[in-house]
Amino acid sequence: IAGITQAPTSQILAAGRRMTLRCTQDMRHNAMYWYRQDLGLGLRLIHYSNTAGTTGKGEVPDGYSVSRANTDDFPLTLASAVPSQTSVYFCASSDSDRGNEKLFFGSGTQLSVL
Amino acid sequence: EDQVTQSPEALRLQEGESSSLNCSYTVSGLRGLFWYRQDPGKGPEFLFTLYSAGEEKEKERLKATLTKKESFLHITAPKPEDSATYLCAVQETSYDKVIFGPGTSLSVIP
Repeated sequence: IAGITQAPTSQILAAGRRMTLRCTQDMRHNAMYWYRQDLGLGLRLIHYSNTAGTTGKGEVPDGYSVSRANTDDFPLTLASAVPSQTSVYFCASSDSDRGNEKLFFGSGTQLSVL
Repeated sequence: EDQVTQSPEALRLQEGESSSLNCSYTVSGLRGLFWYRQDPGKGPEFLFTLYSAGEEKEKERLKATLTKKESFLHITAPKPEDSATYLCAVQETSYDKVIFGPGTSLSVIP
């Protein structure tokens, strides 16, 4: 079982470019999440989806958008990347639509915006 | 404002030297407190969930405890393979999302 697959593993992006980070899970979990991890700040929630067809904003949603067309996929889009979006991005899922409980994480995408 | 802090920021132990990591939290009502382990270049991996003060959970050399304001992750006779960053997270009763602390980086030296 793969769990959560994120792509790409790493990316260098010019400021102003559009970028989509991909996330796919094979556990049939209802809830999915996008976090960014920055040194000293911990993991911060960007967007979440409690079930297919619904999404919500987390702590730091500005500059990001998500969609949840089906249960398995939860892409994160940066419409016009800025250097402050340089970070490690983690996708996660949980078998609950009423809270995170046990989160399963992907291996992350290291994004550098220059 | 809900907040999670962890101390120390970094901890270096000799193999076999037991110690504890601290997680302090401020929430209006605790739904659950979580501990995760994160290895370099990987996503966090779930360790424990604690729900109420006085609760304890154990896994191999790790034991997590919970009080009304903090949680401890006790590491007994650590081995080099216990080296990782340990993350604490809390979920408030009226808020579905989880708040993570900044983590404690643990290094166990042979």
